[in-house]
Amino acid sequence: AQTVTQSQPEMSVQEAETVTLSCTYDTSESDYYLFWYKQPPSRQMILVIRQEAYKQQNATENRFSVNFQKAAKSFSLKISDSQLGDAAMYFCAYYNNDMRFGAGTRLTVKP
Amino acid sequence: DGGITQSPKYLFRKEGQNVTLSCEQNLNHDAMYWYRQDPGQGLRLIYYSQIVNDFQKGDIAEGYSVSREKKESFPLTVTSAQKNPTAFYLCASHGTGRSSYEQYFGPGTRLTVT
Repeated sequence: AQTVTQSQPEMSVQEAETVTLSCTYDTSESDYYLFWYKQPPSRQMILVIRQEAYKQQNATENRFSVNFQKAAKSFSLKISDSQLGDAAMYFCAYYNNDMRFGAGTRLTVKP
Repeated sequence: DGGITQSPKYLFRKEGQNVTLSCEQNLNHDAMYWYRQDPGQGLRLIYYSQIVNDFQKGDIAEGYSVSREKKESFPLTVTSAQKNPTAFYLCASHGTGRSSYEQYFGPGTRLTVT
C-alpha cells in the first residue's frame, strides 16, 4: 500500500506569519490525487486544498498553497498570514483507488 | 443540505458485545470509507466500498465487518474479536470522476468499550 509521511508531529507559527507543513509519499503510480485536510478540535475533517498529479501548476486556495514536487514525491502545504483559527491537526492524503493519510501535524498559532 | 451523518456521536458498550456504527450519505456518492482514529494519530483505513454490494478490506479490518446493501448506507460492525475497539470512527464518501475524489467526512462516532 502507498504510504504517506508527515515528518513534523508538531509545528508552531506566530500569528500573521507563514508556515510550511511537509508531506512525502511513496507510490509507483503516475496518476493520483493529493489532499490536505484540517481537523480542528471539533474533529470534523475539512478539505483545505487538493492537487491532481497530472497538473504541474501548484494549487492555491486563498492563504493556502502547495509546493508539489512530483519527481521528489513531495507535497508541502504553505499557510500564509496565519490566523488563530488555523490551529488544528493537518493531514496529508493520497488517493489512487483508495485514500491514505499521513499521521498528521499539529499546528499551534501563537497570538 | 447534502452531507454525511453518523450516529450516535458517543457510544458506550460492554466488552464482548458487538456494536454497529451508522453512516448515511445523501451526496449520491459511489464510494464510502471507514477510518479509525486513535488519540494523536492519523486515520487508519478499516474498510472501503467503491460500489453497492462490494467492499474491500483496509489496513486494519480484523475484528470489523461492513455491508453495502444501499448506495446511501455503509454500516460498520465492531465485533467482540476487535481487541482494542475504543476509538474515534470516521466515515467518508466521495464521487467518481476526475473532479470528485476529495472525501467528505461525517462528524464521527466516539466508541468507548469497557
